[in-house]
Amino acid sequence: GESVGLHLPTLSVQEGDNSIINCAYSNSASDYFIWYKQESGKGPQFIIDIRSNMDKRQGQRVTVLLNKTVKHLSLQIAATQPGDSAVYFCAERRPGGYQKVTFGIGTKLQVIP
Amino acid sequence: EAQVTQNPRYLITVTGKKLTVTCSQNMNHEYMSWYRQDPGLGLRQIYYSMNVEVTDKGDVPEGYKVSRKEKRNFPLILESPSPNQTSLYFCASSPYPGDSNEQFFGPGTRLTVL
Repeated sequence: GESVGLHLPTLSVQEGDNSIINCAYSNSASDYFIWYKQESGKGPQFIIDIRSNMDKRQGQRVTVLLNKTVKHLSLQIAATQPGDSAVYFCAERRPGGYQKVTFGIGTKLQVIP
Repeated sequence: EAQVTQNPRYLITVTGKKLTVTCSQNMNHEYMSWYRQDPGLGLRQIYYSMNVEVTDKGDVPEGYKVSRKEKRNFPLILESPSPNQTSLYFCASSPYPGDSNEQFFGPGTRLTVL
């Protein structure tokens, strides 16, 4: 809902441009990193994940980059569309179990038509 | 349609009145989780379950209980709700770990505790 978007970092992008959403993670031992998209009033939706032994993975119109040296993750969206407007969360899968996932606070992406 | 359903979607209650939020998935997933979402804090895991009768605490389990008597259902129980449990709650499910970490989220339950 709307209250989820309050206090979030916001990125405004012109339609058709590329978007880059950044995320810093905390646990060097995390083995997977995951991106989710949350549209207003809905639950998060999986976009893409990357294993910790990779530095790049591509999906449909999205690319995730992982820099373990500085514990940084980014999601690049090519040719951003109005339907990409949402809150984007990065998440890290911590050691100790498949279900131990820690989410970031999210970034709100606003696409300007 | 493959989905995770939650009920109720909206709930206003008073301090101390026990409540249950139901979660059901029709994808035969082994794993299920509960999260709460608060402004500025992202999603925080409350409890998770790896299979029937197997549950474990997440990062913020205090004040919550869960059960997993059937594979498809994973109810969240607040025995004595307090105002700090006012939040947006999401249930999620995922299959046995494979090549993807995808979790399937329900539509959310907005809870207000007065």
